[in-house]
Amino acid sequence: DTAVSQTPKYLVTQMGNDKSIKCEQNLGHDTMYWYKQDSKKFLKIMFSYNNKELIINETVPNRFSPKSPDKAHLNLHINSLELGDSAVYFCASSQATGGETQYFGPGTRLLVL
Amino acid sequence: AQSVTQPDIHITVSEGASLELRCNYSYGATPYLFWYVQSPGQGLQLLLKYFSGDTLVQGIKGFEAEFKRSQSSFNLRKPSVHWSDAAEYFCAVGLTGRRALTFGSGTRLQVQP
Repeated sequence: DTAVSQTPKYLVTQMGNDKSIKCEQNLGHDTMYWYKQDSKKFLKIMFSYNNKELIINETVPNRFSPKSPDKAHLNLHINSLELGDSAVYFCASSQATGGETQYFGPGTRLLVL
Repeated sequence: AQSVTQPDIHITVSEGASLELRCNYSYGATPYLFWYVQSPGQGLQLLLKYFSGDTLVQGIKGFEAEFKRSQSSFNLRKPSVHWSDAAEYFCAVGLTGRRALTFGSGTRLQVQP
């Protein structure tokens, strides 16, 4: 059973389009995250949700809008895609206790042409 | 400023040789410390973590790491590297109350036959 899953795995699209990435976790965790990994492999937090509430928003352009319909799901919608949005987007989840371990999904590789 | 540093961008070792990957952090308090591994085209897998207690931590796949408070380091080691260990390795820190990890820039490990 996949603990943290993401769809789609690959996404190729044109500049200016709108796209969504979906994430689901079956670990019973109450905190979920979106991270962005750039072309140099650098990983940076974008958003964090706890019990469907946004708790971290790390200076991400407002073209990016996360939505958490329930504790097990966290989706990422991106409007007006730009070339610089090309990256790998990772979803993760954890239990909101001290020093929580985060479990990562397989990533969504987004290429904007 | 708070930071995580992995000084080695790329390391090449021979199969069967020992390995040490370096990680240093700069935080006011002792953070929670993690090592993740990312195989090509894959997500991140947790190797091991340090929360408190014994400063020598054992992980999966024969890896271990030692927390040294005086040096603000959390170096990853393996006594004998296998070809399948070739991957990107990330050190990460977490802080109580901040529900996100801060990652180092990664070390790419290449294993020679």
